[in-house]
Amino acid sequence: GAVVSQHPSRVICKSGTSVKIECRSLDFQATTMFWYRQFPKKSLMLMATSNEGSKATYEQGVEKDKFLINHASLTLSTLTVTSAHPEDSSFYICSATTGTSGTYNEQFFGPGTRLTVL
Amino acid sequence: AQKVTQAQTEISVVEKEDVTLDCVYETRDTTYYLFWYKQPPSGELVFLIRRNSFDEQNEISGRYSWNFQKSTSSFNFTITASQVVDSAVYFCALSEASYSGAGSYQLTFGKGTKLSVIP
Repeated sequence: GAVVSQHPSRVICKSGTSVKIECRSLDFQATTMFWYRQFPKKSLMLMATSNEGSKATYEQGVEKDKFLINHASLTLSTLTVTSAHPEDSSFYICSATTGTSGTYNEQFFGPGTRLTVL
Repeated sequence: AQKVTQAQTEISVVEKEDVTLDCVYETRDTTYYLFWYKQPPSGELVFLIRRNSFDEQNEISGRYSWNFQKSTSSFNFTITASQVVDSAVYFCALSEASYSGAGSYQLTFGKGTKLSVIP
């Protein structure tokens, strides 16, 4: 149980185009999803927290107009990188949690999406 | 603010050697959680362990063991009799009790330690 998928696993796009990455919880309902970014040989940096049905909360320094996050259902969150540039090339990882109030809930991580912007 | 420090950037050991990965954390909360994750070259994070701040018992799982010491704010990870398959980047992470939405807790990751096990 507790499987999180990401699609696509790899994407190459031209500079200036937009790319959408999907994060799905396959066997549980995820009230909260997190999006992380990982540069080569670096750590995971939290970009934003997404709660189902509400606007995402972005970390300081993350451009919300550039990285659009939508969490329209309990099993799907999407990250859209708008007007992508080569510096947006990175490994994007999502995680999902059931989010029951008052208890700790495990974050289950997706396999990641490697974005390369030419 | 919470912080996780993994001072060892890269470690190389010969197969069958024991290796310890260090993790030091900072937090103002009395309730928090500590984690270790493994990230093989494929990129997918593999959950290894979670410890809450009230449980200082050390844990052993096969060749893996963890030493949690609140007095030194450390949560070190030891691999006994290392194998080539242990080669990966290992991340220590911390989650404080302040949560974002319905009981979920944000994770702060250390910079990771790249372990190379040489046959």
